[in-house]
Amino acid sequence: AQRVTQPEKLLSVFKGAPVELKCNYSYSGSPELFWYVQYSRQRLQLLLRHISRESIKGFTADLNKGETSFHLKKPFAQEEDSAMYYCAPSPFSGGYNKLIFGAGTRLAVHP
Amino acid sequence: DAGVTQSPTHLIKTRGQQVTLRCSPKSGHDTVSWYQQALGQGPQFIFQYYEEEERQRGNFPDRFSGHQFPNYSSELNVNALLLGDSALYLCASSLARNTEAFFGQGTRLTVV
Repeated sequence: AQRVTQPEKLLSVFKGAPVELKCNYSYSGSPELFWYVQYSRQRLQLLLRHISRESIKGFTADLNKGETSFHLKKPFAQEEDSAMYYCAPSPFSGGYNKLIFGAGTRLAVHP
Repeated sequence: DAGVTQSPTHLIKTRGQQVTLRCSPKSGHDTVSWYQQALGQGPQFIFQYYEEEERQRGNFPDRFSGHQFPNYSSELNVNALLLGDSALYLCASSLARNTEAFFGQGTRLTVV
């Protein structure tokens, strides 16, 4: 069965501290991997996708196929990073592109 | 471009009733997906529409049905509402064969 695990419901850090939000997935095949973010009172939006290899708002995500993990990292957290983060693999095959979301991790960055 | 828009924003229904939620995709997008997000959970995939046909479906009962119109807008219908159907319903649009999805603000459905 396709499954996404985000082990931490809440991650609380101080401004300037490093951040790592964990994501493990179990999938057959090679899904495309995404991180989505939801800031307070805003809609869910794409933060980054692994194939683009971009760094967005200082965040990066490393795909480890051996461990089937796709952890999100930022070296120095900012207060404006406080939000709900969702890891979402997409078993893109045959042109079908649904997303499978984890339960999410709430990141709280304190001043 | 207003992006993905959903209506209504909030809705209260009684158990056993039927409800219709609406979604207009981002300009230029041809694929619409619906998700259910229960409190404290991540969104769960309900189904996806492309070219006016349902082409993928998640693990939801037949009480959940949908439609896509020629202008790519979509409706989600839920019959015989249960208390457990109370959730935020999200619509996402994308281009076919492209995995990047854009989400609407959601419709909060409360079943009493």
